[in-house]
Amino acid sequence: QVHLVESGGGVVQPGRSLRLSCAASGFTFSNYGMHWVRQAPGKGLDWVAIIWYDGSDKYYADSVKGRFTISRDSSKNTLYLQMNSLRAEDTAVYYCAREESGQQLDYWGQGTLVTVSS
Amino acid sequence: QSVLTQPPSVSAAPGQKVTISCSGSSSNIGNNYVSWYQQLPGAAPKLLIFENNKRPSGIPDRFSGSKSGTSATLGITGLQTGDEADYYCGTWDSRMSEVFGGGTKLTVL
Repeated sequence: QVHLVESGGGVVQPGRSLRLSCAASGFTFSNYGMHWVRQAPGKGLDWVAIIWYDGSDKYYADSVKGRFTISRDSSKNTLYLQMNSLRAEDTAVYYCAREESGQQLDYWGQGTLVTVSS
Repeated sequence: QSVLTQPPSVSAAPGQKVTISCSGSSSNIGNNYVSWYQQLPGAAPKLLIFENNKRPSGIPDRFSGSKSGTSATLGITGLQTGDEADYYCGTWDSRMSEVFGGGTKLTVL
């Protein structure tokens, strides 16, 4: 059974950093591309980043490019999102999601809340 | 403003049918599969439809999807109060990003 569990969220001041983790289980982690998607309070889904199954390629939303870094450790079955220079507009629930072959995001974690506030 | 355009809300009575549209362009819907996601209140999104019109295991056939050109449609028949949720379309964009619609809130009257 596929499980994705995010952690690392919390309250952080503007300009500071935070690293999110997504622990994966129930499937062969190294075979799948992985995404981070966020959702600001009361708003819609906002894509953040993708990392290829083997980590060879990474792409980012313009709003986070240069500030966020997606990475993965297949030995630990864990996906990461390093978030630097955080802004108030980064406040959101952050979800990790698995990508299947048809580009659909077929499994999502429960999310972790990041609040950027002074 | 979202890359994909959805109506903000739709509503219908229990037992009725509703459709939700999703409009994009040749850089996204026109050349890629469309997925649909259901987000119940307080929950994470859940895959409802993939590859335009396929249902994951466990999704009832009351839910259907279609795509034509640069637009896609989600259909829900036999509406139930438990279907009240936000629905999002999503697809890959040639500018190397996943894109979503702004979401449609379904109310079952």
